[in-house]
Amino acid sequence: TQLLEQSPQFLSIQEGENLTVYCNSSSVFSSLQWYRQEPGEGPVLLVTVVTGGEVKKLKRLTFQFGDARKDSSLHITAAQPGDTGLYLCAGAPGYSSASKIIFGSGTRLSIRP
Amino acid sequence: DTAVSQTPKYLVTQMGNDKSIKCEQNLGHDTMYWYKQDSKKFLKIMFSYNNKELIINETVPNRFSPKSPDKAHLNLHINSLELGDSAVYFCASSTPIGDTGPYEQYFGPGTRLTVT
Repeated sequence: TQLLEQSPQFLSIQEGENLTVYCNSSSVFSSLQWYRQEPGEGPVLLVTVVTGGEVKKLKRLTFQFGDARKDSSLHITAAQPGDTGLYLCAGAPGYSSASKIIFGSGTRLSIRP
Repeated sequence: DTAVSQTPKYLVTQMGNDKSIKCEQNLGHDTMYWYKQDSKKFLKIMFSYNNKELIINETVPNRFSPKSPDKAHLNLHINSLELGDSAVYFCASSTPIGDTGPYEQYFGPGTRLTVT
């Protein structure tokens, strides 16, 4: 069974600080995605990475896919209260629509003003 | 313009009842899903349909029966509800990046089911 472990589970930091969230697995994924979920809403896709070593930036968020395509990280620079939420990584073993996407255990992030 | 919508948003019912959750997407996607998110926020896939055909059927009790009347709709019917069915159920639809994937998913707002 493929599993995605996220760390830390919970993170509370002051506005303006930097942080990194990790997503690790012993399995190889064809692609990896990061989602953010706010209370009472569904997850919203932030990014998809498909190539080992790939780095993508979305304003203050930097996403990296590990060289072996088994892990990923999300780095936030100068965190703001609006970044608060549940961050989920999700890996797809294959590219087809029948490929079961595996979600990570989640990181609950709280940014204090 | 809601992309993926679900009804109802909240559902409170008693053990043993039968209930349905409806999902509609206006994105023109071919693939739709049902996910279950437990109290620890772990999101797990239950079913997936591609153009009305069931393509993913995870280990889910057969009290759960999905139905896709057309590719824009995916409903979930649950028979004989149990306490352990209490969770948030999310519908999603997806489209491939490029011709073959990977698939990017768009989630509905969720249905919070409480079984008493």
